[in-house]
Amino acid sequence: QKEVEQNSGPLSVPEGAIASLNCTYSDRGSQSFFWYRQYSGKSPELIMSIYSNGDKEDGRFTAQLNKASQYVSLLIRDSQPSDSATYLCAVNKNTDKLIFGTGTRLQVFP
Amino acid sequence: DAGVIQSPRHEVTEMGQEVTLRCKPISGHDYLFWYRQTMMRGLELLIYFNNNVPIDDSGMPEDRFSAKMPNASFSTLKIQPSEPRDSAVYFCASSTTSGGTTDTQYFGPGTRLTVL
Repeated sequence: QKEVEQNSGPLSVPEGAIASLNCTYSDRGSQSFFWYRQYSGKSPELIMSIYSNGDKEDGRFTAQLNKASQYVSLLIRDSQPSDSATYLCAVNKNTDKLIFGTGTRLQVFP
Repeated sequence: DAGVIQSPRHEVTEMGQEVTLRCKPISGHDYLFWYRQTMMRGLELLIYFNNNVPIDDSGMPEDRFSAKMPNASFSTLKIQPSEPRDSAVYFCASSTTSGGTTDTQYFGPGTRLTVL
């Protein structure tokens, strides 16, 4: 079992819809959770971090964490073609390093 | 404020040659991470440093790979000898400590390595 698992996609949604990206992790001791966005040919950039159970909203983005079920999700409201990218889930097990999933490719079509 | 700087951006070399990748972290950051990204394996942590000291090199694939951080503003990742399976994008990232754990990691633009 991989430490951090994501569906590779692609996830295709129409412009204006809600995109829902999911991630599960194996280590119950994980403390911090991150979503990175990576455009094709570019480097990953952080878009959201979440540390406590529940929802965290930032603009059109909402991160959801459920430690009991060991999953973290990212919702993108009013999806735009510019949101088309690969979204990487990363988990910190209270050490200094992040464990990344392989990413979900999101395609937003006009 | 300059972000993480990596050089070269692209490197094409022949099997058996030595390859050196360079990274300059963000000023003031005390953590530096080297990652490798491939389609098959995703983003893998190779090694990371804290205050110029290597902390965890368990991700380094084999003895052909080595990394150094002689000072707070410079790190190298060396592959000797290089092999075609080393072809990947190599990212350097830096971060600073916050609340006892590392804060956001900022990635450099990456070095795309092709070994023929």
